[in-house]
Amino acid sequence: QKEVEQNSGPLSVPEGAIASLNCTYSDRGSQSFFWYRQYSGKSPELIMSIYSNGDKEDGRFTAQLNKASQYVSLLIRDSQPSDSATYLCAVNDNSGYALNFGKGTSLLVTP
Amino acid sequence: DAGVTQSPTHLIKTRGQQVTLRCSPKSGHDTVSWYQQALGQGPQFIFQYYEEEERQRGNFPDRFSGHQFPNYSSELNVNALLLGDSALYLCASSLAMSSGNTIYFGEGSWLTVV
Repeated sequence: QKEVEQNSGPLSVPEGAIASLNCTYSDRGSQSFFWYRQYSGKSPELIMSIYSNGDKEDGRFTAQLNKASQYVSLLIRDSQPSDSATYLCAVNDNSGYALNFGKGTSLLVTP
Repeated sequence: DAGVTQSPTHLIKTRGQQVTLRCSPKSGHDTVSWYQQALGQGPQFIFQYYEEEERQRGNFPDRFSGHQFPNYSSELNVNALLLGDSALYLCASSLAMSSGNTIYFGEGSWLTVV
């Protein structure tokens, strides 16, 4: 069973701080990595995708990938209360057709 | 540009009944995947349809079946419903020839089995 692991949280950060969300995965053959944001009662919304080692920045979000350590992270700069949600890490399986998701990390940004 | 649309939004069924959920993919997408998300869990892959065929299936029993139509829309059918089938059912669409397997979710169908 290929696994994607995330701390369930909640991770609490003050408004304006950097939130750091982490994810590890077990399948060394994985090539595609994604972060989704899910507000309570809503469906997941794609935030970032990353395929190569290193950093990828998009606005206040930075995804970091280290395939050797099988580790992917998401940094949220200048966190806002509206960022409060569950963040899901997803990794493609070896077929390339399905995504394996972690259970998500709950983020709370306090004013 | 319409996103992924799903129906119904919410439904309540009784144990042993059957349910059909429907999905229209994002415009231009040809591949539909279905995921089940139980409370407090991440989405779990049920199966994927491409060119009207089931291309891959996750670890779900045969009670879960699906179909894709020529216009790329899809249905998920669940027979002999169990209480444990209560979950958010997510349809996701993608483009088969795109790199990276990026999928986009619809708003989901909330199924409650009583």
